[in-house]
Amino acid sequence: QVQLVESGGGAVQPGRSLRVSCAASGFTFGFHAMHWVRQAPGTGLQWVGLISSDSTRTHYADSVKGRFTISRDNSRNTLYLQMNSLRPEDTALYYCARDDGRPSGTFDSWGLGTLVVVST
Amino acid sequence: DIGLTQSPSSLSASVGDRVTITCRASQSISKFLNWYQQKPGKAPKALIYAASSLQSGVPSRFSGSGSGTDFTLTISSLQPEDSAIYYCQQSYTTPPYTFGQGTKLEIK
Repeated sequence: QVQLVESGGGAVQPGRSLRVSCAASGFTFGFHAMHWVRQAPGTGLQWVGLISSDSTRTHYADSVKGRFTISRDNSRNTLYLQMNSLRPEDTALYYCARDDGRPSGTFDSWGLGTLVVVST
Repeated sequence: DIGLTQSPSSLSASVGDRVTITCRASQSISKFLNWYQQKPGKAPKALIYAASSLQSGVPSRFSGSGSGTDFTLTISSLQPEDSAIYYCQQSYTTPPYTFGQGTKLEIK
């Protein structure tokens, strides 16, 4: 079955960097675009960005553009989110999600998330 | 960016009730609208894609309808395990992919 497992979250000071990962299994990782979605404590879902299946396209939410970078290693079935110049408002649970590939752009599988806390 | 507004923000209903949640888009999005369910402490789960298609494995009491700017998620006979927050999400104009603010459904 499809499994997505995020890791690498933790506490970090404002202005510092952190990289989180998402290990995929149970499907052909290289066939699917992938997304990062975050959820600040007690709030709703916010799309962070996506990467195409072959890494040729990336797109980001305006709130993270220029600070966050999404990459992937299809040989390792792993998705990454490099977060630089972190701000307190980046504190959230970060989910990776699989794009189902349909025109509907559905996020059909999600990991359990990894928590990033940005605080002094 | 396309905004999505869900109503109500919260509701309480009894087991067996028919429940409807609405999602309104700030501009026409055709049928590029998906619905998700998130239970406490869990990851979101896809329920409906393309406004009205049921995701594999989702109980048939869930259904979706609508096109253009107005969409609904209906639970035909509410079950105790349906207590959750429900989100709509558009994929018509991307990026960004935007979500509604969520509707919290509680069981009386």
